[in-house]
Amino acid sequence: NAGVTQTPKFQVLKTGQSMTLQCAQDMNHEYMSWYRQDPGMGLRLIHYSVGAGITDQGEVPNGYNVSRSTTEDFPLRLLSAAPSQTSVYFCASRWDRDSNQPQHFGDGTRLSIL
Amino acid sequence: SQQGEEDPQALSIQEGENATMNCSYKTSINNLQWYRQNSGRGLVHLILIRSNEREKHSGRLRVTLDTSKKSSSLLITASRAADTASYFCATGTPDYGQNFVFGPGTRLSVLP
Repeated sequence: NAGVTQTPKFQVLKTGQSMTLQCAQDMNHEYMSWYRQDPGMGLRLIHYSVGAGITDQGEVPNGYNVSRSTTEDFPLRLLSAAPSQTSVYFCASRWDRDSNQPQHFGDGTRLSIL
Repeated sequence: SQQGEEDPQALSIQEGENATMNCSYKTSINNLQWYRQNSGRGLVHLILIRSNEREKHSGRLRVTLDTSKKSSSLLITASRAADTASYFCATGTPDYGQNFVFGPGTRLSVLP
């Protein structure tokens, strides 16, 4: 089973560039989310979606956009990359909006902004 | 401090010993989850414990929850080198809806 697949695994950008981080899951999960992980801090929620066509902001949404046109895919867009966005990004999914269930994580995208 | 905060930040033990990690939180919770993260990988779910539960077991893992003290502990018995990883607690709270707040994690090193 593929689970949650994130691409690319590594990326280096210059300040001001834009890019899209891809996330796909093959478990027919309704709920998907994006986190960033920085040293010494836990994962922080960027955006989440409870189903196709529905997205909402998390704790740190500024500088990021998301869309959810299908159940399987939940891309994260950096509009104009800044050095502060250097981080490891994780996509996660679970069956639905009920929080009493485990989340499944991808292996992350390591992003460096120069 | 954060809503969920693990203690200690780092722990080093010998193979075969038990490892105990603690998580403290500040507001009431619906549930608390523990995750493991191996170096360079994503998080893997270990155990979920609901606010009305006090203890759960899964293999060599034992999780306790004390809502009066707003704390949880994760015990790994008879540790192995393969248990070397970072461990995170994540709290689901009424204020945060269907989302979770993660602590900064405990880095566990199990020496052979």
